[in-house]
Amino acid sequence: AQSVSQHNHHVILSEAASLELGCNYSYGGTVNLFWYVQYPGQHLQLLLKYFSGDPLVKGIKGFEAEFIKSKFSFNLRKPSVQWSDTAEYFCAVTRSNYQLIWGAGTKLIIKP
Amino acid sequence: DVKVTQSSRYLVKRTGEKVFLECVQDMDHENMFWYRQDPGLGLRLIYFSYDVKMKEKGDIPEGYSVSREKKERFSLILESASTNQTSMYLCASTRPGGAGYGYTFGSGTRLTVV
Repeated sequence: AQSVSQHNHHVILSEAASLELGCNYSYGGTVNLFWYVQYPGQHLQLLLKYFSGDPLVKGIKGFEAEFIKSKFSFNLRKPSVQWSDTAEYFCAVTRSNYQLIWGAGTKLIIKP
Repeated sequence: DVKVTQSSRYLVKRTGEKVFLECVQDMDHENMFWYRQDPGLGLRLIYFSYDVKMKEKGDIPEGYSVSREKKERFSLILESASTNQTSMYLCASTRPGGAGYGYTFGSGTRLTVV
């Protein structure tokens, strides 16, 4: 069965530190990949997505992610985090034309 | 901008009550979804619907049912609420063309069953 793994459930960083959140998926076929973010008290919103083409995709708020097909990975990165990046981050992969499969989420806490 | 609106932000219900969670989207999306979100478990799909009156079970449908009588509205029903259904419930929709375009989420309904 398809699955999505996010390696860390909780990450705590200081402001200005660099961030990398891991995401691996199990499906070997063509996939679309997503990172969503949920700020405290807010709804889930799309951070970035990969369909095809350049494997390095840029999203909102300075985030980027790299699709490495050989490693089945789609890690999220940001060179310098801010306190406002405190949120929960979810990786997702298309399961079918209708559905996404979701990782368990990573709670990111940025210490001011 | 697409809007997905969930009728209640917070609900408290008693064990055994029938509970209705409503979701409305305003952009003519065909596909709609109900998830529950629990700490450490991510999002788990309860039911989805790809057209009016059509529904498909997700990964955890037990104890739930759904109704889609109009394209814009997708209701989740807890026939007899139990304490293990205390959770955050998220509604989402996708544009025609499917999941590859991503989902738009509502703000969620935090349900507490006492």
